[in-house]
Amino acid sequence: EIVLTQSPATLSLSPGERATLSCRASQNVRNYLAWYQQKPGQAPRLLIFDTSHRAPGIPARFSGSGSGTDFTLTISSLEPEDFAVYYCQQRSNWPPVTFGPGTKVDIK
Amino acid sequence: EVQLVESGGGLVQPGGSLRLSCAASGFTFNDYWMTWVRQAPGKGLEWVANIKQDGSDKYYVDSVKGRFTISRDNVKNSLYLQMNSLRAEDTAMYYCARDKAAAGRVCDYWGQGTQVTVSS
Repeated sequence: EIVLTQSPATLSLSPGERATLSCRASQNVRNYLAWYQQKPGQAPRLLIFDTSHRAPGIPARFSGSGSGTDFTLTISSLEPEDFAVYYCQQRSNWPPVTFGPGTKVDIK
Repeated sequence: EVQLVESGGGLVQPGGSLRLSCAASGFTFNDYWMTWVRQAPGKGLEWVANIKQDGSDKYYVDSVKGRFTISRDNVKNSLYLQMNSLRAEDTAMYYCARDKAAAGRVCDYWGQGTQVTVSS
């Protein structure tokens, strides 16, 4: 089973700042890495799939990069609605599909 | 508009059973793999199971193998999760999700979830 590790666990930033979230895989997942956003009381929402492809309707301030075992989600300038928990997920070697433990982006 | 609506959750005693349902609309259901994902209170996301378009292939996380069964009815546009021998650690919000076409195992639409609580 591929284990995903996310860092930091919590990121405290102000609106307008740049957020950089990391996801590391225990094995090579090629480019099969996705990112989801989840707000309290809501279902997750797909942001990015296959490392860098934004899902329909996702703003351009969200971008993904990386390959192999190291991946990054960048939010170029935080909007108030971006404060949430972000999960990475791999689909390279499954079952099982696995998720990271999440990074909480909160308001500084 | 794609909609996924889960139902069937509730409070059940350890060792009991529940059957979750997910009603799908707004897309051609039998064109997509479908997935169940769960989230324990205050915890992260855990992939539970998925099923191929025609129901011929099903996969499970090890912790539910032999206890949970995923199925679908393409006439009723519905996804199911039969959960038997429930344990306290199965307590979670259970989400139904659609796998993205051409990027399988990525969930592009999610329901709002149904809560399952296993407790005596």
